[in-house]
Amino acid sequence: DIQMTQSPSSLSASVGDRVTITCRASQSISSYLNWFQQKPGKAPNLLIYAASSLQSGVPSRFSGSGSGTDFTLTISSLQPEDFATYYCQQSHTSPRTFGQGTKLEIK
Amino acid sequence: QITLKESGPTLVKPTQTLTLTCTFSGFSLSTIGVGLAWIRQPPGKALEWLALIYWDDDKRYSPSLKSRLTITKDTSKNQVVLTLTNVDPVDTATYYCAHLTYGGKDFDYWGQGTLVTVSS
Repeated sequence: DIQMTQSPSSLSASVGDRVTITCRASQSISSYLNWFQQKPGKAPNLLIYAASSLQSGVPSRFSGSGSGTDFTLTISSLQPEDFATYYCQQSHTSPRTFGQGTKLEIK
Repeated sequence: QITLKESGPTLVKPTQTLTLTCTFSGFSLSTIGVGLAWIRQPPGKALEWLALIYWDDDKRYSPSLKSRLTITKDTSKNQVVLTLTNVDPVDTATYYCAHLTYGGKDFDYWGQGTLVTVSS
């Protein structure tokens, strides 16, 4: 199985901050990397697919980059509604695997 | 538009078999490239992928749960069924189904999830 490791596990930031979350795959996954946002009690929401493509309807302050084994999700200017948990996920092969999540909290 | 909804029991006893149904609309599982997956999330924990099924009936399972999982589709009813045998309290989780496209986007549409508790 491909292991996905996110860092940090939690992060405190303020509205307006620029935030970066990283995700590392245990082997190369090319650009088969997706990012999800999940709010309490809700299903995850796809933000970024294929490492850097913005899903329709997602604000442009979200961006993704990387290929191979190292990836980043960046939020350029945090908004109040962005405080949530973020997960990366590889779609290179089955079994699909998720990172352990990064909880973004208000400072 | 695409919608998905999970249904099934909210409480299951240990050793029993859990059967969950995902009923969807807005797409067909007979369309080339389309798939549907099941993902679960224990309370307060991370997402765990369980299984997926493609339009051509290709099926993939989580290796750690493969012996206990079965995924099937009923294209005429727009449903996908997941069964998990011999459940244990550690299987307590919210279970989600999600749409995917082969070679394309994973999990671009999700159901609302259904919480299943395993307890005697």
